[in-house]
Amino acid sequence: QVHLQQWGAGLLKPSETLSLTCAVSGGSFSGYYWSWIRQTPGKGLEWIGEIHHSGSTKYNASLKSRLRISVDTSNNQFSLNLRSVTAADTAVYFCARGRTISGAVAPFDIWGQGTTVAVSS
Amino acid sequence: DIQMTQSPSSLSASVGDRVTISCRASQGISNYLAWYQQRPGKVPMLLISGASALQSGVPSRFRGSGSGTDFTLTISTLQPEDVATYYCQKYDSAPWTFGPGTKVEL
Repeated sequence: QVHLQQWGAGLLKPSETLSLTCAVSGGSFSGYYWSWIRQTPGKGLEWIGEIHHSGSTKYNASLKSRLRISVDTSNNQFSLNLRSVTAADTAVYFCARGRTISGAVAPFDIWGQGTTVAVSS
Repeated sequence: DIQMTQSPSSLSASVGDRVTISCRASQGISNYLAWYQQRPGKVPMLLISGASALQSGVPSRFRGSGSGTDFTLTISTLQPEDVATYYCQKYDSAPWTFGPGTKVEL
């Protein structure tokens, strides 16, 4: 059974970099795209971006200039880095499994437990 | 980008009631529509994919329908454990966009 375990710093100051990592266990890592999604009271659920084990990425245009998603294939992990955070980046961040590499689109069927990130001076 | 809207934003119903939630896409997305349930304080859970296909383990009182731009999630007989916020999401192409959610209360 596929399991996603995520971790990272939960309290940041404005202008710092948000860093989160998600580890995939119990199933195929290379067969899927892996996404980051965040949830705020004001904007609801917002897809941030996705990565494949090859390193191929796709980002939400609204965050692209500050965003980097990377992959560690040796440990079946992927990471989120969001630079220059502000209070607007305060949210619960989730990692999730998405579409397959075969080209078939798919919804997010497996989610990490979520990490609450607060940005405050 | 395609926008997703939902109505109502919240509703209150009684145990045993039939509940209907609507989701609309600003452009056609065929049947690439998913529904998620998020209970208070929990992680979103995929209920339905392909607009109408129930995920394994999801009770049969949940039903999804629609295609193109208009979709519906129906709970035939509301149960206490169905108190949650329900989100639709399009997955025809990136960006993978969610609706704003419908909060279901008793």
